[in-house]
Amino acid sequence: QITLKESGPTLVKHTQTLMLTCTFSGFSLRTSGVGVGWIRQPPGKALEWLALIYWDDSKRYSPSLGSRLRITKDTSKNQVVLTMSNVDPVDTGTYFCAHNVEMAATRPFDFWGHGIPVTVSS
Amino acid sequence: QSVLTQPPSASGTPGQRVTISCSGGNSNIGSNAVNWYQQFPGTAPKLLMYSNSQRPSGVPDRLSGSKSGTSASLAISGLQPEDEANYYCAAWDDSLNAVLFGGGTKLAVL
Repeated sequence: QITLKESGPTLVKHTQTLMLTCTFSGFSLRTSGVGVGWIRQPPGKALEWLALIYWDDSKRYSPSLGSRLRITKDTSKNQVVLTMSNVDPVDTGTYFCAHNVEMAATRPFDFWGHGIPVTVSS
Repeated sequence: QSVLTQPPSASGTPGQRVTISCSGGNSNIGSNAVNWYQQFPGTAPKLLMYSNSQRPSGVPDRLSGSKSGTSASLAISGLQPEDEANYYCAAWDDSLNAVLFGGGTKLAVL
C-alpha cells in the first residue's frame, strides 16, 4: 500500500525559504522508473506542477519557478524534500506530493498525499 | 493561464453522457499521452485515467478517455450525482521539460 504525507510549516513570511518534506511508504526510490513530484494548488485555483525527482536522481522543475526550487531525496529515510526560496503571498496554497511513474510518453501521479496548506504572510 | 485548455464548467443530468475536452499543442498532447484527475473540494486529486484511455483499478468503465492530435477528452456516461467534482487533464511537455495541468473543469450534475 502506497502512502505519502507532507509535512512542514503552515505559515511562512514573505521572502523566507519554505521547506516541505514528503515521507512515503509502500515503494522505494531505488526502483527504476519511480519518482516523487510536488504539485500545488492556490485557493480556488487549478493544480500547478512544481518539481519531480526520480530514482536515478534526475530532476525536473517548473520553468516558471525553477530558479526558486530545489528537490532532493533521502532514499534511506523514504523522504523527498522540496525547498522554495524567496516566497511571496502568491505562493499561498495547498502543496501535495505524489508518487510518479515514468512510463512511455506519460508520467502519471497515481498516489497522492493529503496535502499541506501553506500561507505566506506579507 | 494554463497551456492545456479546458472548459471551466460542464453540466449534465443523471444518466446523461458528458464530455470534457482538453486542448494542447504539438509538444505536449501531440507528442505524449494524457492523464486525467478527479478532485473533490478539500481533498487530494485522484488519478482517473492514464495513457489517454487506461483506467486505474477501481475506476468504473462508464468513464472513458481518448486523444486525437493535440486534443484529448474524458467522457462520463450514465452520469451520477457523485461525479460532481473538478476534473484536470495533464500531459508532459517535451519543449518545456515539464508536467502541464489544464485549468480544470467543474462538473455539475443537475
